[in-house]
Amino acid sequence: GAVVSQHPSRVICKSGTSVKIECRSLDFQATTMFWYRQFPKQSLMLMATSNEGSKATYEQGVEKDKFLINHASLTLSTLTVTSAHPEDSSFYICSASRPSGGFLYNEQFFGPGTRLTVL
Amino acid sequence: GESVGLHLPTLSVQEGDNSIINCAYSNSASDYFIWYKQESGKGPQFIIDIRSNMDKRQGQRVTVLLNKTVKHLSLQIAATQPGDSAVYFCAERKGGGADGLTFGKGTHLIIQP
Repeated sequence: GAVVSQHPSRVICKSGTSVKIECRSLDFQATTMFWYRQFPKQSLMLMATSNEGSKATYEQGVEKDKFLINHASLTLSTLTVTSAHPEDSSFYICSASRPSGGFLYNEQFFGPGTRLTVL
Repeated sequence: GESVGLHLPTLSVQEGDNSIINCAYSNSASDYFIWYKQESGKGPQFIIDIRSNMDKRQGQRVTVLLNKTVKHLSLQIAATQPGDSAVYFCAERKGGGADGLTFGKGTHLIIQP
């Protein structure tokens, strides 16, 4: 099966610092990667869509200067939370879309998530 | 705005019984739906999907039903097991191809021994 990894799994940082989260598709090349955020006992909210070699598309209300996304290759996307504050503490989950080979809907595979705690 | 939502936040069932988790969606243009299972501290795990041109799809112990008339989606889990305890989300594809997903609020399924 398709595997997506995230690193780190947990991170604790001080307010005002920046944190980088990596998302990798381990056994396939992802046409598109997505970043989601999930607060405790809530649902996943799409933050942005990332395509290799192009600028990410951010959802309404998501600050692109605060959540920097770099999609360096077909297997790696990074999310950098800049100048993190306690309200940015959340569970960040990425997913990678694998080409469907003609099927209309590309299947998304989710990473295990990264727990960010900002003190 | 349009959204995907769930009727019940928590569902408790006896081990071995069947469970039904419901989801209402409001975007009539949605054409693809997915059910995910999420265990505590982990990412969502794909369970089953269904296209809008279908009204039923079956997997191993799971069945998804789609009623486009009332914009309702359900997940049936047969003969529930302790390992089925998790939060279940329905999700809606925003558009065709590689678009991101809109998730419902989630239902916490609790399996009692």
